[in-house]
This record gives sequence, structure tokens and C-alpha cells, in this order.
Amino acid sequence: AQSVTQLGSHVSVSEGALVLLRCNYSSSVPPYLFWYVQYPNQGLQLLLKYTSAATLVKGINGFEAEFKKSETSFHLTKPSAHMSDAAEYFCAVSDPYGGSQGNLIFGKGTKLSVKP
Amino acid sequence: ETGVTQSPTHLIKTRGQQVTLRCSSQSGHNTVSWYQQALGQGPQFIFQYYREEENGRGNFPPRFSGLQFPNYSSELNVNALELDDSALYLCASTNNRDRGETQYFGPGTRLLVL
Repeated sequence: AQSVTQLGSHVSVSEGALVLLRCNYSSSVPPYLFWYVQYPNQGLQLLLKYTSAATLVKGINGFEAEFKKSETSFHLTKPSAHMSDAAEYFCAVSDPYGGSQGNLIFGKGTKLSVKP
Repeated sequence: ETGVTQSPTHLIKTRGQQVTLRCSSQSGHNTVSWYQQALGQGPQFIFQYYREEENGRGNFPPRFSGLQFPNYSSELNVNALELDDSALYLCASTNNRDRGETQYFGPGTRLLVL
């Protein structure tokens, strides 16, 4: 079964510091991987996705993630945190075996706090 | 282009009651998926509708049911509500059921069961 593990339920960084949010997946087939962001009282917004093209994926708001097959990881980074980045971040893998194509399996999320 | 909308935004029900949540998919999208997000958890897949037919279901009991209409909008119905059904219910739409296709999420309906 596919699964996603996000290490660290809460990450705190200073404004201007590097953001690193960790995601590891398990998948018996080449995975399709996604990072979504959720601001308070809102739905999910796609940051970026990996669908077997370039391993370094650039997304919105200066975020990027690198697919590393050998480490089964898809960590999300941003060189310089901004106050507006404070939100909850979810890593997800697309389930290749479910009855429905494309339904997402999410990690438990990482809440990012940014200190001034 | 109109995004995914959901109604109502908030709802309070009592145990044993029934509830209907609504979702309008993004223009041009024919596939709608529903997810349940409990407090402090990631969203969990409930089911997907494609062209008015259920097209896959997650690990949810039959009292969770749905509909999709010819205009591709959708409803999620939950019967015999339990306290653990309290959650944020998210609807997502896409125009292609391919694994790599982006799902676009609505703002959700927050359900509280007392």
C-alpha cells in the first residue's frame, strides 16, 4: 500500500531562514508526488508536483522539491522564509491501485511557523 | 474561471442525524473527489465520482454516500451521524482521472457533530 510520512508535525524558522519540510513515501510503482499548502480555514492549494519528469520541481511562492528515488524522499524547500509562508503543508502520493485513478494519499501534515 | 465552491461553510448536527454537503466543481471538470480531514490529520479519501458514477471509494462505511449531477456538481450525504464524523470535508475536482492530474480543492465544509 502506498503511504506518506512527514517528519515533524511542527517546524519553526526565523524569517529569512531556510525552510525544509520532510516527506518520505512508500510506493511499489513510480510515484506521483504532490505538495499542498493549507492556510487557516481554507482548502488546499497545490504548491508543486512530480510526475516523472525533472527530479527537481519548482513550484509557486519560491518553493521547490527534489525527488530522490534512492531515499524515497520528496522534501520541500524554500531558501528564505517569509511571514506569509506560515501555514500547514501536506505531502501526498497519487494512489495507482485505488478503484479511482488519481485519488491522493496524504501525510499528516507539517505546520510551519515563521518568527519575525 | 470559477474555482471549486462548497456549501455550507459550517454546519452543526447532532448524533444520529443526516447531513448533505454540496460541491460545485471547477468549470470544465468532470471528476469530483471527496475527502475527510479530521482535526490535526491529513485529508482521507472518501470516494470519487466520474460522469455521475461512483468511481472508487476509500475506507468509509456505506452511510457515506454521494451523487454527481449532469453539470458535474456533487453531493456528499452522511447518515446516522457519529461524533467522529466531526471534520472538515473537502471536495476536489479535476478534468482528467490520470494519476498525475492536479486536483483543485474547495474551501471545505466544517461539520461538528454533537
